[in-house]
Amino acid sequence: EPEVTQTPSHQVTQMGQEVILRCVPISNHLYFYWYRQILGQKVEFLVSFYNNEISEKSEIFDDQFSVERPDGSNFTLKIRSTKLEDSAMYFCASSERTVHSQPQHFGDGTRLSIL
Amino acid sequence: ILNVEQSPQSLHVQEGDSTNFTCSFPSSNFYALHWYRWETAKSPEALFVMTLNGDEKKKGRISATLNTKEGYSYLYIKGSQPEDSATYLCALANTGNQFYFGTGTSLTVIP
Repeated sequence: EPEVTQTPSHQVTQMGQEVILRCVPISNHLYFYWYRQILGQKVEFLVSFYNNEISEKSEIFDDQFSVERPDGSNFTLKIRSTKLEDSAMYFCASSERTVHSQPQHFGDGTRLSIL
Repeated sequence: ILNVEQSPQSLHVQEGDSTNFTCSFPSSNFYALHWYRWETAKSPEALFVMTLNGDEKKKGRISATLNTKEGYSYLYIKGSQPEDSATYLCALANTGNQFYFGTGTSLTVIP
């Protein structure tokens, strides 16, 4: 069964550095999402992406964050000037159509640790 | 930010017992309610997507119901097995394309 893959599985970065988290969504899916889960807290929506542009974003997704689909397969989340509070699990997901009717398929996540 | 609540937070049941848990959400601007099963060290796996008031969905021993007017959904597991042990997450899709997760119910089935 096709899967969403995320790399790396664990990223350790110094505070203030930029980090890029990578995701390869399922190939025929059109909608892509990033979520984060800070340890012990809820999974939080960050952003949805469709047709090469951001469809929705949450209050968390400020100017520090950006997403890109640089080629036909990758979907990346860039975090500029990382802060300690950015430490979390980051999950990518994709769906054939919007979350109004279709389930999402999740990757295994990237654990981001900011030192 | 919409508040999606799940209860109980955790649950221990004996193998063979049936169990259920609740997801509560604001009923305004409702579009869809998702249930996911999340095993430790794996990614969340979709169980159900429900959109209509009164929807009932079933997948093997697991079923779910939806009441959009009062803002809740129940997930039922009949004859729990140890492999059902996981965290069960519900998530609300509203009229935007945003998605709000509950905190999850952690289920442990004791053999």
